[in-house]
Amino acid sequence: QSVLTQPPSVSGAPGQRVAISCTGTSSNIGADSDVHWYQLLPGAAPKLLISRNSNRPSGVPDRFSASRSGTSSSLAITGVQAEDEADYYCQSFDNSLSGWVFGGGTKLTVL
Amino acid sequence: QVQLVQSGAEVRKPGASVKVSCKASGYNFASYGVNWVRQAPGQGLEWLGWISGYNANTNYAQKFRGRVTMTTDTSTTTVYMELRRLRYDDTAVYYCARDQGFGLVMITPSEWFDPWGRGTLVTVSS
Repeated sequence: QSVLTQPPSVSGAPGQRVAISCTGTSSNIGADSDVHWYQLLPGAAPKLLISRNSNRPSGVPDRFSASRSGTSSSLAITGVQAEDEADYYCQSFDNSLSGWVFGGGTKLTVL
Repeated sequence: QVQLVQSGAEVRKPGASVKVSCKASGYNFASYGVNWVRQAPGQGLEWLGWISGYNANTNYAQKFRGRVTMTTDTSTTTVYMELRRLRYDDTAVYYCARDQGFGLVMITPSEWFDPWGRGTLVTVSS
Protein backbone atom coordinates (compact mmCIF):
# COMPACT_ATOMS: atom_id res chain seq x y z
CA GLN A 1 0.00 0.00 0.00
CA SER A 2 1.58 3.25 -1.14
CA VAL A 3 1.60 6.32 1.06
CA LEU A 4 0.42 8.55 -1.80
CA THR A 5 -2.77 7.50 -3.56
CA GLN A 6 -3.12 7.51 -7.33
CA PRO A 7 -5.82 6.00 -9.56
CA PRO A 8 -4.57 2.69 -11.00
CA SER A 9 -5.45 3.70 -14.53
CA VAL A 10 -6.68 6.52 -16.73
CA SER A 11 -7.35 6.64 -20.44
CA GLY A 12 -8.01 9.12 -23.18
CA ALA A 13 -8.19 9.42 -26.92
CA PRO A 14 -5.43 11.22 -28.80
CA GLY A 15 -5.80 14.96 -28.42
CA GLN A 16 -7.86 14.77 -25.26
CA ARG A 17 -6.90 16.09 -21.85
CA VAL A 18 -6.27 13.59 -19.10
CA ALA A 19 -5.51 14.22 -15.46
CA ILE A 20 -3.91 12.03 -12.81
CA SER A 21 -4.46 12.77 -9.16
CA CYS A 22 -2.07 12.16 -6.28
CA THR A 23 -3.50 12.35 -2.79
CA GLY A 24 -1.39 12.51 0.34
CA THR A 25 -1.78 13.45 3.99
CA SER A 26 -0.80 16.12 6.47
CA SER A 27 2.55 14.33 6.84
CA ASN A 28 3.62 14.85 3.26
CA ILE A 29 1.85 16.94 0.61
CA GLY A 30 -0.32 18.63 3.25
CA ALA A 31 2.82 19.56 5.17
CA ASP A 32 3.91 21.68 2.23
CA SER A 33 6.29 19.04 0.86
CA ASP A 34 7.01 19.44 -2.82
CA VAL A 35 5.51 16.97 -5.29
CA HIS A 36 7.45 15.61 -8.24
CA TRP A 37 6.18 13.52 -11.15
CA TYR A 38 7.92 10.78 -13.14
CA GLN A 39 7.14 8.82 -16.29
CA LEU A 40 8.08 5.13 -16.53
CA LEU A 41 8.27 3.41 -19.88
CA PRO A 42 9.02 -0.33 -20.09
CA GLY A 43 12.74 -1.00 -20.22
CA ALA A 44 13.70 2.65 -19.89
CA ALA A 45 15.05 4.70 -17.03
CA PRO A 46 12.33 6.62 -15.18
CA LYS A 47 12.08 10.18 -16.46
CA LEU A 48 11.45 13.34 -14.45
CA LEU A 49 8.40 15.16 -15.80
CA ILE A 50 7.65 17.78 -13.18
CA SER A 51 9.72 19.02 -10.25
CA ARG A 52 8.66 21.15 -7.30
CA ASN A 53 4.93 20.88 -7.93
CA SER A 54 4.75 22.59 -11.30
CA ASN A 55 8.19 23.05 -12.85
CA ARG A 56 8.77 21.36 -16.16
CA PRO A 57 12.43 20.50 -16.94
CA SER A 58 13.81 21.45 -20.32
CA GLY A 59 12.97 18.84 -22.90
CA VAL A 60 9.63 17.89 -21.39
CA PRO A 61 6.79 18.82 -23.77
CA ASP A 62 4.61 21.69 -22.61
CA ARG A 63 1.50 19.50 -22.81
CA PHE A 64 2.56 18.20 -19.40
CA SER A 65 1.63 20.39 -16.41
CA ALA A 66 0.97 19.88 -12.72
CA SER A 67 -0.35 21.69 -9.69
CA ARG A 68 -0.57 21.17 -5.93
CA SER A 69 -3.32 22.16 -3.54
CA GLY A 70 -3.88 21.11 0.04
CA THR A 71 -3.03 17.44 0.39
CA SER A 72 -3.18 16.67 -3.34
CA SER A 73 -1.44 17.19 -6.62
CA SER A 74 -2.62 16.70 -10.17
CA LEU A 75 -0.71 15.95 -13.36
CA ALA A 76 -2.42 17.02 -16.57
CA ILE A 77 -1.61 16.04 -20.11
CA THR A 78 -3.28 18.38 -22.56
CA GLY A 79 -3.53 16.84 -26.01
CA VAL A 80 -2.42 13.32 -25.09
CA GLN A 81 -0.37 11.47 -27.68
CA ALA A 82 0.22 7.78 -28.30
CA GLU A 83 3.81 8.12 -27.07
CA ASP A 84 2.51 9.26 -23.67
CA GLU A 85 1.23 5.76 -22.92
CA ALA A 86 3.22 4.90 -19.80
CA ASP A 87 3.08 4.64 -16.03
CA TYR A 88 3.15 7.86 -14.03
CA TYR A 89 4.26 8.27 -10.41
CA CYS A 90 4.11 11.12 -7.93
CA GLN A 91 6.68 11.59 -5.17
CA SER A 92 6.85 13.67 -2.03
CA PHE A 93 8.70 13.78 1.29
CA ASP A 94 6.98 12.36 4.33
CA ASN A 95 7.89 13.99 7.63
CA SER A 96 6.60 11.11 9.76
CA LEU A 97 8.64 8.54 7.84
CA SER A 98 11.59 10.93 7.36
CA GLY A 99 11.95 9.83 3.79
CA TRP A 100 10.53 10.00 0.31
CA VAL A 101 7.31 8.30 -0.62
CA PHE A 102 5.70 7.52 -3.95
CA GLY A 103 2.25 6.95 -5.27
CA GLY A 104 1.23 3.51 -6.45
CA GLY A 105 1.46 4.60 -10.06
CA THR A 106 -1.12 5.29 -12.77
CA LYS A 107 -1.15 3.53 -16.10
CA LEU A 108 -2.15 5.85 -18.93
CA THR A 109 -3.76 4.16 -21.91
CA VAL A 110 -4.15 6.14 -25.10
CA LEU A 111 -7.23 4.82 -26.86
CA GLN B 1 26.08 14.01 -20.10
CA VAL B 2 25.06 12.94 -16.62
CA GLN B 3 24.68 9.19 -16.59
CA LEU B 4 24.09 6.38 -14.12
CA VAL B 5 24.96 2.90 -15.35
CA GLN B 6 23.84 -0.03 -13.24
CA SER B 7 25.14 -3.57 -12.98
CA GLY B 8 23.37 -6.52 -14.57
CA ALA B 9 20.57 -8.74 -13.39
CA GLU B 10 21.09 -10.99 -10.37
CA VAL B 11 19.45 -14.14 -9.06
CA ARG B 12 19.74 -15.08 -5.40
CA LYS B 13 18.29 -17.64 -3.05
CA PRO B 14 16.23 -16.59 -0.04
CA GLY B 15 18.47 -15.57 2.85
CA ALA B 16 21.35 -14.56 0.60
CA SER B 17 22.68 -11.07 -0.10
CA VAL B 18 22.96 -9.03 -3.29
CA LYS B 19 25.12 -6.03 -4.10
CA VAL B 20 24.11 -3.75 -6.97
CA SER B 21 26.39 -1.10 -8.41
CA CYS B 22 25.66 2.27 -10.00
CA LYS B 23 28.49 3.93 -11.92
CA ALA B 24 28.10 7.71 -12.10
CA SER B 25 29.61 9.93 -14.78
CA GLY B 26 29.26 13.38 -16.26
CA TYR B 27 29.14 15.36 -13.01
CA ASN B 28 31.08 16.14 -9.82
CA PHE B 29 30.41 12.99 -7.81
CA ALA B 30 31.04 14.69 -4.46
CA SER B 31 28.42 17.37 -5.06
CA TYR B 32 25.40 15.10 -5.20
CA GLY B 33 23.74 12.27 -3.38
CA VAL B 34 22.32 9.09 -4.84
CA ASN B 35 19.09 7.38 -3.92
CA TRP B 36 17.97 3.80 -4.37
CA VAL B 37 14.39 3.05 -5.37
CA ARG B 38 12.80 -0.29 -6.22
CA GLN B 39 9.74 -1.51 -8.07
CA ALA B 40 8.42 -4.98 -7.34
CA PRO B 41 6.33 -6.73 -10.03
CA GLY B 42 2.96 -5.04 -10.30
CA GLN B 43 3.80 -2.64 -7.49
CA GLY B 44 4.68 1.02 -7.17
CA LEU B 45 8.00 2.68 -6.51
CA GLU B 46 9.57 2.35 -3.06
CA TRP B 47 12.45 4.40 -1.69
CA LEU B 48 15.21 2.40 0.05
CA GLY B 49 17.60 5.13 1.06
CA TRP B 50 20.16 7.81 0.19
CA ILE B 51 23.91 8.17 0.30
CA SER B 52 25.99 11.32 0.10
CA GLY B 53 28.59 11.51 -2.63
CA TYR B 54 30.47 13.97 -0.41
CA ASN B 55 31.09 11.98 2.75
CA ALA B 56 29.10 8.75 2.34
CA ASN B 57 26.57 9.74 4.99
CA THR B 58 23.50 7.56 4.64
CA ASN B 59 19.81 7.75 5.39
CA TYR B 60 17.86 4.52 5.07
CA ALA B 61 14.11 4.07 4.92
CA GLN B 62 12.84 2.69 8.23
CA LYS B 63 11.63 -0.48 6.52
CA PHE B 64 15.12 -1.43 5.33
CA ARG B 65 17.29 -0.38 8.27
CA GLY B 66 19.43 -3.29 9.41
CA ARG B 67 19.13 -5.03 6.07
CA VAL B 68 20.51 -2.50 3.58
CA THR B 69 23.93 -0.90 3.30
CA MET B 70 24.87 1.79 0.80
CA THR B 71 28.48 2.67 0.08
CA THR B 72 30.51 4.72 -2.35
CA ASP B 73 33.84 4.31 -4.09
CA THR B 74 34.99 7.81 -4.95
CA SER B 75 37.93 6.51 -6.99
CA THR B 76 35.54 4.95 -9.47
CA THR B 77 32.53 7.23 -8.78
CA THR B 78 30.43 4.18 -8.08
CA VAL B 79 27.64 3.75 -5.58
CA TYR B 80 26.74 0.34 -4.17
CA MET B 81 23.58 -0.98 -2.55
CA GLU B 82 23.73 -4.25 -0.64
CA LEU B 83 20.54 -5.92 0.56
CA ARG B 84 20.88 -8.82 2.97
CA ARG B 85 18.63 -11.65 4.16
CA LEU B 86 16.76 -11.60 0.89
CA ARG B 87 13.12 -12.66 0.81
CA TYR B 88 10.91 -13.61 -2.12
CA ASP B 89 9.21 -10.21 -1.93
CA ASP B 90 12.54 -8.48 -2.51
CA THR B 91 12.24 -9.51 -6.14
CA ALA B 92 12.18 -6.17 -7.93
CA VAL B 93 13.89 -3.81 -10.30
CA TYR B 94 16.30 -1.67 -8.29
CA TYR B 95 17.06 1.84 -9.55
CA CYS B 96 19.68 4.35 -8.55
CA ALA B 97 18.78 8.01 -8.98
CA ARG B 98 20.76 11.18 -8.37
CA ASP B 99 19.46 14.06 -6.31
CA GLN B 100 19.93 17.76 -7.05
CA GLY B 101 22.68 18.44 -4.53
CA PHE B 102 20.74 20.64 -2.12
CA GLY B 103 22.10 18.79 0.90
CA LEU B 104 25.67 17.53 0.77
CA VAL B 105 25.67 15.64 4.06
CA MET B 106 22.02 14.99 4.80
CA ILE B 107 18.81 14.40 2.92
CA THR B 108 16.88 17.51 1.99
CA PRO B 109 13.09 17.18 1.65
CA SER B 110 12.84 19.38 -1.42
CA GLU B 111 15.03 17.09 -3.53
CA TRP B 112 13.85 15.33 -6.66
CA PHE B 113 15.49 12.47 -8.50
CA ASP B 114 17.08 13.06 -11.88
CA PRO B 115 18.58 11.27 -13.67
CA TRP B 116 17.87 7.61 -12.98
CA GLY B 117 19.70 4.46 -13.95
CA ARG B 118 17.94 1.91 -16.14
CA GLY B 119 17.46 -0.47 -13.28
CA THR B 120 18.79 -3.84 -12.14
CA LEU B 121 16.46 -6.81 -11.85
CA VAL B 122 17.05 -8.80 -8.68
CA THR B 123 15.20 -12.10 -8.57
CA VAL B 124 14.92 -14.05 -5.34
CA SER B 125 14.16 -17.65 -6.12
CA SER B 126 14.93 -21.03 -4.64
